[in-house]
Amino acid sequence: GDSVTQMEGPVTLSEEAFLTINCTYTATGYPSLFWYVQYPGEGLQLLLKATKADDKGSNKGFEATYRKETTSFHLEKGSVQVSDSAVYFCALSGQGGSEKLVFGKGTKLTVNP
Amino acid sequence: GAVVSQHPSRVICKSGTSVKIECRSLDFQATTMFWYRQFPKQSLMLMATSNEGSKATYEQGVEKDKFLINHASLTLSTLTVTSAHPEDSSFYICSASPSNQPQHFGDGTRLSIL
Repeated sequence: GDSVTQMEGPVTLSEEAFLTINCTYTATGYPSLFWYVQYPGEGLQLLLKATKADDKGSNKGFEATYRKETTSFHLEKGSVQVSDSAVYFCALSGQGGSEKLVFGKGTKLTVNP
Repeated sequence: GAVVSQHPSRVICKSGTSVKIECRSLDFQATTMFWYRQFPKQSLMLMATSNEGSKATYEQGVEKDKFLINHASLTLSTLTVTSAHPEDSSFYICSASPSNQPQHFGDGTRLSIL
């Protein structure tokens, strides 16, 4: 079945550092790919998405590119802030995301001032 | 944007109690909603797919008699944890989406069974 493998955390960075969180997937067909963020005690928020190969999703300074050849969707940000501290989940789905999501295990990011 | 509201946000109750959690799509209709369970420091596990007007589809290993799902309207799905016990304590999250758009999540319900 479909699966998502996500870089194990936790990740601790200083403010303004560069962030990469690796994500690879296994899927039949052509899934849509997502990054969701979960702040402490809250539900998940969509951070960005890409629905086809070579698409780049971006939001709030975060970026991820849908790489079909490497089945990857790595999350990057050039300069993290303390407010970016959260758990980040990579996920895939069919039909633009309206079908059920398959999640990676999540990566906890802590950014220190 | 699409908003999903989940209620209550936190429940603390005694063992043996049944607990109902509501999930509402506030500004769109959702024929399908999803219920997830999240254990501490772990990912989300899909429990079931809630289908408006028909029976829910449960994932393997999820007890349908323990976790009752009702999706009686296009904007409301409910999850009832029947005769809850301490091992049912968890963070439950629902999601829904307008057609062919990404899932939007509720803020989750923290269930604690004493």
